[in-house]
Amino acid sequence: DVKVTQSSRYLVKRTGEKVFLECVQDMDHENMFWYRQDPGLGLRLIYFSYDVKMKEKGDIPEGYSVSREKKERFSLILESASTNQTSMYLCASSLLQGVYEQYFGPGTRLTVT
Amino acid sequence: DQQVKQNSPSLSVQEGRISILNCDYTNSMFDYFLWYKKYPAEGPTFLISISSIKDKNEDGRFTVFLNKSAKHLSLHIVPSQPGDSAVYFCAANYAGKSTFGDGTTLTVKP
Repeated sequence: DVKVTQSSRYLVKRTGEKVFLECVQDMDHENMFWYRQDPGLGLRLIYFSYDVKMKEKGDIPEGYSVSREKKERFSLILESASTNQTSMYLCASSLLQGVYEQYFGPGTRLTVT
Repeated sequence: DQQVKQNSPSLSVQEGRISILNCDYTNSMFDYFLWYKKYPAEGPTFLISISSIKDKNEDGRFTVFLNKSAKHLSLHIVPSQPGDSAVYFCAANYAGKSTFGDGTTLTVKP
């Protein structure tokens, strides 16, 4: 079974702090994704990556950056956290480009105060 | 502009009956569609998918129907079971990216 793990289930940060959310997958998947889930807005794509050191902007990249130094690890960075970034963050991976089924981690509930 | 919409935030059905969850999309470039199920405190899990070249795909109790002319897909669960109670997301794919709907919360009553 594919396992996608996220570094924290719950996180509380202060406005202006730098925040790192880490995601690790154990099945040698090529593609990795970061989403945020908000009530009434579904899952919105922040960034994705098709390969190591490669990244592409999703639908809502503003205020975020990502890093993929190793194939199994994809980090989401909030350079200066703001209250409107309070959300559930979900990481996902998929095997190959064009293979669409994604495997999700359990999510990180981030609260910015 | 939301390209994938699930217009029913919630649905309640009796155990053993059919559950029908609906999803509409606007982008005709979408070429693959998926349904995911999400339990509280867990990430979404893949349920069933359909290519745009098909109009039906069946997997056990779950069937997905695609009507391309209407830009509409639906998920049928027959018979519904209490364990099916969850949030269901539809997703539409193009160029390697998935666009998700808002989700529909299904409650199956014993």
